Amino acid sequence: EIVMTQSPATLSVSPGERATLSCRASQSVITNLAWYQQKPGQSPRLLIYATSTRATGVPPRFSGSGSGTDFTLTISDLQSEDFAVYYCQQYHNWPPFTFGPGTTVDIK
Amino acid sequence: QVQLVQSGAEVKKPGSSVKVSCKASGGSFNNFEITWVRQAPGQRLEWMGGIIPIFGTTKYAQEFQDRVTITADESTNTAYMDLSNLRSEDTAVYYCARGTGWYFENWGQGTLITVSS
Repeated sequence: EIVMTQSPATLSVSPGERATLSCRASQSVITNLAWYQQKPGQSPRLLIYATSTRATGVPPRFSGSGSGTDFTLTISDLQSEDFAVYYCQQYHNWPPFTFGPGTTVDIK
Repeated sequence: QVQLVQSGAEVKKPGSSVKVSCKASGGSFNNFEITWVRQAPGQRLEWMGGIIPIFGTTKYAQEFQDRVTITADESTNTAYMDLSNLRSEDTAVYYCARGTGWYFENWGQGTLITVSS
């Protein structure tokens, strides 16, 4: 089973600034990686798949990069609605598909 | 736009079973896969398994293989997740999601299952 880790656990950012979130896989997932956003009391929302492809309706301030074992989600010009928990998920080696523990982006 | 509407919260006794439903509203499953993911309080998302309704093919996480059954009724555009032999550690929000089967594009609202004596 591929184990996903994320850092930092919590990221405090001011509105308008950039947030950089990291995700690491215990073995290579090539570029088979997705990112999700989850706000309190809500279901997860797909943001990015295939490492860097934005899902329908996701604004361009969200971008993804990386390959192999190390991945980054960048949120530029943070908006108030972007404060949430972000999870990465690998779909290269399954079952099972596995998720990271999440990074909470909160207001500085 | 297809929305996934799940059944309501339940409280179950240890050792019992629960069946959660997930209905596609405003459309059908088409060729998509329906996946079940759970989230225990304060924990990461955990993939349980999925089904491709038009084929009836399923896949399960080994952790749940002996206890979970995922089915789908194409005539009603409804998928089901049946989890047996419940224990306290199964207390979680259970989500269905529609997607390619690798990543998950549309999510239901979640169903809280509480296991308590």
